[in-house]
Amino acid sequence: EAAVTQSPRSKVAVTGGKVTLSCHQTNNHDYMYWYRQDTGHGLRLIHYSYVADSTEKGDIPDGYKASRPSQENFSLILELASLSQTAVYFCASRSDWGGQDTQYFGPGTRLLVL
Amino acid sequence: AQSVTQPDARVTVSEGASLQLRCKYSYFGTPYLFWYVQYPRQGLQLLLKYYPGDPVVQGVNGFEAEFSKSNSSFHLRKASVHWSDWAVYFCAVSMDTGGLSGKLTFGEGTQVTVIS
Repeated sequence: EAAVTQSPRSKVAVTGGKVTLSCHQTNNHDYMYWYRQDTGHGLRLIHYSYVADSTEKGDIPDGYKASRPSQENFSLILELASLSQTAVYFCASRSDWGGQDTQYFGPGTRLLVL
Repeated sequence: AQSVTQPDARVTVSEGASLQLRCKYSYFGTPYLFWYVQYPRQGLQLLLKYYPGDPVVQGVNGFEAEFSKSNSSFHLRKASVHWSDWAVYFCAVSMDTGGLSGKLTFGEGTQVTVIS
């Protein structure tokens, strides 16, 4: 079973502060993704990466940075947290080997910005 | 741009009854379609996925979905609902696959409530 873990599982941050969300996968997958979920809405893609030391912008990248220091780890960074960034954040990984396109999701991080 | 619409925000169903969740997609080309389920305070789990081929796809836990190109739809069905099916269900479309980004576009989700 594919495994994606996220830390912290929940966080309270202050407006203007820096927040780092971490994601770790043990699936040996090439692709990793960061999504945000707002109450009553679906997931929206923030950033993704297909190889270490390289990241790509998703659909809503403004206000977020991403870092992929290794194949296993993918971080989402909020340099100046804002109230509008209160949401649940999900990390996912995906293999591109053998045409396998399933994305495996972590349990999520609940972020509250005050 | 691709998009996914789930017209029913909430569905209430009796245990043992059948369930259908609707999904409409907008995409130019051949879509790759997915249904994910989110149990309370958990991440998303894959129920089933469609790649071009047989329009009826079987998934886990008795779920199946049917792709219709003419209707731009990918509806999810289950013949007999169990209380453990209480969850949020998301339909998603991938614009590319097989070496490309594999980015998913999600619908807004349908909350399924099971009553006895």
